[in-house]
Amino acid sequence: AQSVTQLGSHVSVSEGALVLLRCNYSSSVPPYLFWYVQYPNQGLQLLLKYTSAATLVKGINGFEAEFKKSETSFHLTKPSAHMSDAAEYFCAVSDKGYSTLTFGKGTMLLVSP
Amino acid sequence: DAGVIQSPRHEVTEMGQEVTLRCKPISGHDYLFWYRQTMMRGLELLIYFNNNVPIDDSGMPEDRFSAKMPNASFSTLKIQPSEPRDSAVYFCASSVPGTANTGELFFGEGSRLTVL
Repeated sequence: AQSVTQLGSHVSVSEGALVLLRCNYSSSVPPYLFWYVQYPNQGLQLLLKYTSAATLVKGINGFEAEFKKSETSFHLTKPSAHMSDAAEYFCAVSDKGYSTLTFGKGTMLLVSP
Repeated sequence: DAGVIQSPRHEVTEMGQEVTLRCKPISGHDYLFWYRQTMMRGLELLIYFNNNVPIDDSGMPEDRFSAKMPNASFSTLKIQPSEPRDSAVYFCASSVPGTANTGELFFGEGSRLTVL
């Protein structure tokens, strides 16, 4: 069975600072990995996905994530935070088409001026 | 294009009452998912359908929960009788044919249920 662990339920950064949200996964087969974003009172939106092509994946709004098999990680980064990035971010995994998504508990990103 | 549409957005009810949540998936999507989100448990998959047929309902917490999809454009999630511990945000999501297991889900805005 697959699972994801997101380190830190809350991450605070200043506007303009680097954003790093951590995700480690566990999967019995090569996984598909995803980051979703949830703005207040809205549903989740797909930010980016890894499906075994390039290990560095670029998403919307300047975010990117790197798949590192040796570290079983898929951390999300953005070079410079904007106030509009404040939201909750979810990492998710599926076993390459054999199962549905399993979500992490989420990390709330707080951006201060 | 209209996204996934859920109703009601907010529901406050008393323990023991029946609750019905509704979802209209994006036209042409062949998978439909119901998720529940709580602070304690995060996002949990309750049930999903493929071409209107329930595929996996192992996430449905109890017999008090039931879900139907009578046609490709409508699904309901019913709780009868409701209990305070059912208070949560319930999300419906759908996916483009061929991508259900690749994670490309389109979520509605959710139905926030409060059971007093």
